[in-house]
Amino acid sequence: DSGVTQTPKHLITATGQRVTLRCSPRSGDLSVYWYQQSLDQGLQFLIQYYNGEERAKGNILERFSAQQFPDLHSELNLSSLELGDSALYFCASSVHAQETQYFGPGTRLLVL
Amino acid sequence: DAKTTQPPSMDCAEGRAANLPCNHSTISGNEYVYWYRQIHSQGPQYIIHGLKNNETNEMASLIITEDRKSSTLILPHATLRDTAVYYCIVRDTDTGTASKLTFGTGTRLQVTL
Repeated sequence: DSGVTQTPKHLITATGQRVTLRCSPRSGDLSVYWYQQSLDQGLQFLIQYYNGEERAKGNILERFSAQQFPDLHSELNLSSLELGDSALYFCASSVHAQETQYFGPGTRLLVL
Repeated sequence: DAKTTQPPSMDCAEGRAANLPCNHSTISGNEYVYWYRQIHSQGPQYIIHGLKNNETNEMASLIITEDRKSSTLILPHATLRDTAVYYCIVRDTDTGTASKLTFGTGTRLQVTL
């Protein structure tokens, strides 16, 4: 158990819908990262937040957005969902931006 | 682009040492070598990391060559539970924008009886 929690574990929705994935970092960690793992793309970095502020962006679509709240939990919002958004979404956290990242168990999203 | 090269798959007998190689010939002086593994579709699990010196923890040992162009992750006594995809990642930790992890395709380790 890494100490990073993610909810929900599974999510099934329809194309065009919007969903929110939640991540609670390890106690004391200030930095949160989101990654997407699809069958054809592997594990890809989406976005990073540090102490409430966006720090770095990866291959994140404009339909996706994220935020980190004052209590340091983070949410990843996915809108106008497409079939290709079906994937595993992982959150990771670290004490500071350059420290070791610890991953949560992931949210499996299925878009039908 | 992934900065590392790993064999796509390896087999290891249970109880034997598993030695997973990684080539990172373009590594620069401030880049660390990190190892993670992913068991089935679980979240990647941190194993170990190092800069220059060899490192050991309760899970594994990391051997980095003197020129730092390659490394080997050693699982001293592999068990069936070590069957996973192992990722070797080179990471620059000096700048915030480079703090992401860039995953390649990894090595699929199959531990057999």
